[in-house]
Order: sequence, then structure tokens, then C-alpha cells
Amino acid sequence: DVKVTQSSRYLVKRTGEKVFLECVQDMDHENMFWYRQDPGLGLRLIYFSYDVKMKEKGDIPEGYSVSREKKERFSLILESASTNQTSMYLCASRLRTGTTYEQYFGPGTRLTVT
Amino acid sequence: AQTVTQSQPEMSVQEAETVTLSCTYDTSENNYYLFWYKQPPSRQMILVIRQEAYKQQNATENRFSVNFQKAAKSFSLKISDSQLGDTAMYFCALGSYNTDKLIFGTGTRLQVFP
Repeated sequence: DVKVTQSSRYLVKRTGEKVFLECVQDMDHENMFWYRQDPGLGLRLIYFSYDVKMKEKGDIPEGYSVSREKKERFSLILESASTNQTSMYLCASRLRTGTTYEQYFGPGTRLTVT
Repeated sequence: AQTVTQSQPEMSVQEAETVTLSCTYDTSENNYYLFWYKQPPSRQMILVIRQEAYKQQNATENRFSVNFQKAAKSFSLKISDSQLGDTAMYFCALGSYNTDKLIFGTGTRLQVFP
């Protein structure tokens, strides 16, 4: 079974803090993704990575950065957290090649910025 | 641009009954695929069913089936014999073979009542 884990289920941070959200997958997937999920807006892609040290902006990258130093780990960084970044953050991973194009999701991190 | 529309924010169904969730999409790609994902309350998002656009036959997975109308760009999910465990948020998603990204709809919250 593919396993995608995220470092925290719930996180509370103060405005202006630097926040790190970690995601680890155990299936040697090449692609990894960060989404934020908000009611009525569905899932919106923040950043994704198709290989180690490779990254590409998604639809809403402003205020976020990412790091992928190892294949299994993909980090989302909020350089200076703001209240409008309060949201559910979902990490996902996927095989790049082959016929399996499904994304596997982590449990999510509910971030509250006060 | 690719878009996915789920026009039913909330639906409810009685246990053992059948319910259909709607999804329409728009894409200029010829080769693409579609997913339905399920996100139970406070639990991980999982894949319910997939459909590759080149396949004419509608996909089925046990009690879950789709009605894929390629010309109409419609991809509805039918859940037969609904169970309490089907209570969840359901997301329709569109992907193409030219990109690693998925486009998600805004979701339909399904409540199954005893």
C-alpha cells in the first residue's frame, strides 16, 4: 500500500511566523504535490515537483515556497504566515510513468494562523 | 484552460437507495482521464473510480459506476445501495497525459441517512 504521511494533523501559528509542512511518501513516486482545500473552492494546486530539486508553480503559489531535497520528502514553506493562509493543506504523490496516474493523498494538515 | 464543474454542493440519500453525483468538464485535449475521489470526514482522500477517455465502456467498481458522456463532457457518479460509510465529500478530477496536474471540481458533500 502506498503511504503518504504529513508531519502534523493540526497546526496553530501566529501571523508572521515561518511555517514548515512536511510530506513523506514511501513508494518511490516521482511526482509530489501540495494543494490547499477551502470550502466551496475545492482543491487548488500550490506547487508540484516532478523530481528531486525540481519544482513548478501551481495555480496559487504566492506566499509559498517548496523544497524537495530527497525523492520521498516534499516540504511546503510559508515564509511569513498570514491569516488568509488558514486552510487545509493536502500533500499527494504519483508515479510519473506507466499507466497509473492516480494521485495518493496524505491525511492533511489543518493550519490555523492567528 | 481545463475546468471541472460540480453543480451540487450538497446531496443526501437514504441508506440502500441510489444517488447520482454530477460532474461536467471542459478540455481541449483529446487524450485525458477522469477520476472520482472520496474524502470521508476527517479521513484521507481515496480514489473511487477512474475513466480513461479513449475507453467507450463506462467504468464500474462494485457499487460505484460512472456515466461517461464524452460528447457532452459529462462524468457522473452513481452510487447504488448507499451505505452510511459513503458519507463523504466527493471530488471529480480531470487529468491529461501531457501534464502531471489534476484539475479538481469544488466537491459535492454527500450525506447518507439511515
